[in-house]
Amino acid sequence: QITLKESGPTLVKPTETLTLTCSFSGFSLSTSGLGVGWLRQPPGKALEWLGVIFWDEDKYDNPSLESRVTITKDTSKNQVVLRMTNMDPADTATYFCAHRDSSGWSAYWGQGIMVTVSS
Amino acid sequence: DIPMLQSPSFVTASVGDTVTITCRAGRSISIWLAWYQQKPGKAPKLLISGASNLQTGVPSRFSGSGSGTHFTLTINSLQPEDFATYYCQEANNFPYSFGQGTIVEIK
Repeated sequence: QITLKESGPTLVKPTETLTLTCSFSGFSLSTSGLGVGWLRQPPGKALEWLGVIFWDEDKYDNPSLESRVTITKDTSKNQVVLRMTNMDPADTATYFCAHRDSSGWSAYWGQGIMVTVSS
Repeated sequence: DIPMLQSPSFVTASVGDTVTITCRAGRSISIWLAWYQQKPGKAPKLLISGASNLQTGVPSRFSGSGSGTHFTLTINSLQPEDFATYYCQEANNFPYSFGQGTIVEIK
C-alpha cells in the first residue's frame, strides 16, 4: 500500500531555510504520470499547495511564494525534498506531502509535520 | 490561480440531517473537482474525485455533483463521524486551489 511520511525540523528561526523530506513507499516516482506534492496548512486556515514534482522531472511551485520553494526528488531513495528559503513566522503551519496519481487526484497523504517559525 | 469560493463557512446540523456544501470556481474547470474531509490533527481524506466519483470505502451518504463552475457536496443522514471540515479543490491547474473550507458542527 502507499504511504508517505514527512520529516525535518519542527522549529526554525526567521530568515532560515526549511528543508523537509517526504519518504514514501508503495509506488515509484519513475512511473509515468505520478507526482508528489507539498502542501501546508496554517493553524485554523485552509490548505495550500506549495509545489509538485512529477515522474518526468516536470515541476511547479506556487507563484505566491515568489520563488522561495524548490522541490527535488531522489527516485532511488523514494524521497522528495522541499526547500523553502527565508522563513517567516507567517510560514508557521503543518506541512504535508501528498501523492498525485496519473489522473490528478491525491488520495494518499503523509501525516503532516508542524513547523513553527520563531526566534 | 482559479479562485474557489466555498459556502457556507460554517453549518450546524443534527445527526440525521442533510447538509449541502457549495463550491464555485472562478472559471470553468469541467469536472476537475475534488472534495476532502479533514478532522482535527489529521491529513485530509479524499472523498470524491472528478466532481462525483465516490472513493472506495466512502459511505454512499456522501455524493457530489456539478460541472463547469458550480459544484455541490451533499451528505445525507449525517452521522456523528461526519462532523469535520470539508474542502473543495480544483485539480487540473496548478496551484490546484482549495476552497476556504466548511466546518460541519453538531447542533
